[in-house]
Amino acid sequence: AQSVTQLDSQVPVFEEAPVELRCNYSSSVSVYLFWYVQYPNQGLQLLLKYLSGSTLVESINGFEAEFNKSQTSFHLRKPSVHISDTAEYFCAVRAHSGGYQKVTFGTGTKLQVIP
Amino acid sequence: EPEVTQTPSHQVTQMGQEVILRCVPISNHLYFYWYRQILGQKVEFLVSFYNNEISEKSEIFDDQFSVERPDGSNFTLKIRSTKLEDSAMYFCASGGTGKQPQHFGDGTRLSIL
Repeated sequence: AQSVTQLDSQVPVFEEAPVELRCNYSSSVSVYLFWYVQYPNQGLQLLLKYLSGSTLVESINGFEAEFNKSQTSFHLRKPSVHISDTAEYFCAVRAHSGGYQKVTFGTGTKLQVIP
Repeated sequence: EPEVTQTPSHQVTQMGQEVILRCVPISNHLYFYWYRQILGQKVEFLVSFYNNEISEKSEIFDDQFSVERPDGSNFTLKIRSTKLEDSAMYFCASGGTGKQPQHFGDGTRLSIL
């Protein structure tokens, strides 16, 4: 079984300031790691993923996340946020498998970018 | 980029009524999922479906719930007799094999009155 912990339920940050959204996970098996973003009144969009290889993964809109196996963390960072980044961010894990595997989500972190 | 589509976007139903939520997964995906998100809470797994049968279901997915793939494209979630606590956003997802991440639809907001 897997679990995901997002300790910060809300993170307010001023525009153009850096931000880090924390995510820790636990699992008895190897997992894939994901960040999903949910804009107000919209569905879940995949922001970035760690499957294998380089532990630092990046998205097209400036977010990055680093997989740290020893600390079982996958924190999300952005050096300079924009108003449009205001959304809820969900960290998620999925066990390695050649077939189906459910995604286990964290409780989410609401990022509020303040002008 | 191909998308998972869900209909309707919002469904309002009287308690005790049956409701069917529809999803069209990405065409070459083989694995299908339903999740739900009660307002203000996290996204929870309901059920996974592969090769025309349920692969795994959570404790939430009781006898009131069923899933079906009635044709080659649709994937449905039926709630037989809705309860107030079924009010939530329901997300459909589909995935390929191996490392491919699951792709989610925009969700159906189900409101039970």
